[in-house]
Amino acid sequence: DADVTQTPRNRITKTGKRIMLECSQTKGHDRMYWYRQDPGLGLRLIYYSFDVKDINKGEISDGYSVSRQAQAKFSLSLESAIPNQTALYFCATRSRDRGDDNEQFFGPGTRLTVL
Amino acid sequence: DQQVKQNSPSLSVQEGRISILNCDYTNSMFDYFLWYKKYPAEGPTFLISISSIKDKNEDGRFTVFLNKSAKHLSLHIVPSQPGDSAVYFCAASDSYSGAGSYQLTFGKGTKLSVIP
Repeated sequence: DADVTQTPRNRITKTGKRIMLECSQTKGHDRMYWYRQDPGLGLRLIYYSFDVKDINKGEISDGYSVSRQAQAKFSLSLESAIPNQTALYFCATRSRDRGDDNEQFFGPGTRLTVL
Repeated sequence: DQQVKQNSPSLSVQEGRISILNCDYTNSMFDYFLWYKKYPAEGPTFLISISSIKDKNEDGRFTVFLNKSAKHLSLHIVPSQPGDSAVYFCAASDSYSGAGSYQLTFGKGTKLSVIP
């Protein structure tokens, strides 16, 4: 089973609709992140969380909100979706420990299309 | 203002030859650098990293070189294999930013095609 899972994998929605993307992890990591990827662009950070009580804005948080329901779950919401939020969305996790690799582990992504 | 730059959107290499992917950065506070590999319909997967206290790190066919004075790093793949065909992202981290948030700043990626 995958360590980091995202649901749904694909979603088509209409402008103005509320949508939630969910992320779950079994790695036991405390740090979780949401990124979006647009064609020709790298991954850009939307929000990140140190633990259940800690939520922080990333580079492009406008139009998004998040909820850390438990250590293993981190949800991203679009309260009123707009077409320029059409993108690939990735969830990632990282342990608290400062290891040499400083690695984040990514989920498989959610392809969101806003019509 | 792009802090991590991958100026080559794509690269084609013959199987068995060396692939060299380049990355430049502007933020002097970055002290960890990572390469991620991404296949279509999958999330990025970690490939190799390097700390700013080193100038080279090897892992099998993959070697990352860091030139701090030039703010440049490169990923060498030798020999290149068709299965290496993917998008490669360079990422950088300032370990002390955000009180341990370990945020990663990504480049735009380079699409590597290894031709059999």
